[in-house]
Amino acid sequence: AQKVTQARTEISVVEKEDVTLDCVYETRDTTYYLFWYKQPPSGELVFLIRRNSFDEQNEISGRYSWNFQKSTSSFNFTITASQVVDSAVYFCANSGYALNFGKGTSLLVTP
Amino acid sequence: NAGVTQTPKFQVLKTGQSMTLQCAQDMNHEYMSWYRQDPGMGLRLIHYSVGAGITDQGEVPNGYNVSRSTTEDFPLRLLSAAPSQTSVYFCASSYLSTSGGYNEQFFGPGTRLTVL
Repeated sequence: AQKVTQARTEISVVEKEDVTLDCVYETRDTTYYLFWYKQPPSGELVFLIRRNSFDEQNEISGRYSWNFQKSTSSFNFTITASQVVDSAVYFCANSGYALNFGKGTSLLVTP
Repeated sequence: NAGVTQTPKFQVLKTGQSMTLQCAQDMNHEYMSWYRQDPGMGLRLIHYSVGAGITDQGEVPNGYNVSRSTTEDFPLRLLSAAPSQTSVYFCASSYLSTSGGYNEQFFGPGTRLTVL
């Protein structure tokens, strides 16, 4: 069965701190896809990244970076020098034409 | 492109009433899905479709029906609303890339449903 676990439900940091959001997945598929989405307080779902199981390279996009490790079935998300605008709920998800979501991590960044 | 649109944005129902949540996409995507979001539960898949005329159940299908007669539309029907169906409902669409991989889901803005 597909399963995604985000162990920490809430994280609170002070602006400019680095923060890592954990994601552990379970799958029996040899080919699979992993995603991160952001849900700001306004409620919409914003796509951040897609990674397939063949590509274990880490990715960096500005202050955001992702670490994909098949050996530990993890796909962690790090925000460097966090900002108040990063406050949101972040979801990790896997699968294909329909997604299997983790329960989300609520990040609060305070000034 | 309007992307994925959902109507209505808000709805209040009484227990036992029926209604249809509308979802439409103008991106010619094969895949469409319905999710519900409840506090602390993340998003859970209700039903999905891999093409016109093809639908299947997700994790929490009970109390909901879907059909997909066209590529563009994927309505979600609540047959007899219950308070447990109070939630935020998101519709999404996606497509298979030319390389064969699954792409990201494009989400609608959501429908906030309250069942009294």
